Amino acid sequence: DGGITQSPKYLFRKEGQNVTLSCEQNLNHDAMYWYRQDPGQGLRLIYYSQIVNDFQKGDIAEGYSVSREKKESFPLTVTSAQKNPTAFYLCASRTPNYGYTFGSGTRLTVV
Amino acid sequence: GENVEQHPSTLSVQEGDSAVIKCTYSDSASNYFPWYKQELGKRPQLIIDIRSNVGEKKDQRIAVTLNKTAKHFSLHITETQPEDSAVYFCAASMAGGFKTIFGAGTRLFVKA
Repeated sequence: DGGITQSPKYLFRKEGQNVTLSCEQNLNHDAMYWYRQDPGQGLRLIYYSQIVNDFQKGDIAEGYSVSREKKESFPLTVTSAQKNPTAFYLCASRTPNYGYTFGSGTRLTVV
Repeated sequence: GENVEQHPSTLSVQEGDSAVIKCTYSDSASNYFPWYKQELGKRPQLIIDIRSNVGEKKDQRIAVTLNKTAKHFSLHITETQPEDSAVYFCAASMAGGFKTIFGAGTRLFVKA
């Protein structure tokens, strides 16, 4: 469905716990992105990767980490340093025409 | 820094009427302007885009216009239908660049 798979769809995190959100694409796209969306808000860039083994911080990178060991995979770890992680997280890849294809999202809740 | 302003934040129209959403960008180097539609709880999906070498593009009931001099671009939806109800995001980027700047979104309600 859309070529980008995010899992899990819902995730619950306890205080002080690190959690990892999965993002896998089979579109052969080089550039991948992680966005955070709060209720009624726009999209804020967390991290992006232009190519394997390379990634850059976005506008709100504090408390998050990523890796890009394979072209197909761009997982996001929400660390305990992120004090307000409850949000909807969207992964995307960039098409050759420069538009984005988004995954279906992961809704993270702190319990 | 780079910024995209989007107005209005909320728009309510009667079914069959037209809807217009406007965006302004700050980076004069931007040359690619996509629009995304996000239905409630779903992923954003690209619905139309325009590049800086054209002034207007149409696809059935939706159209986008671009004024490079004023750094404005707009989305026009004609003959609106209830299924057009969603949040619409405008965005701006350099076609060769890796970052896209999104507007804050417009929540469109189409009343039957």
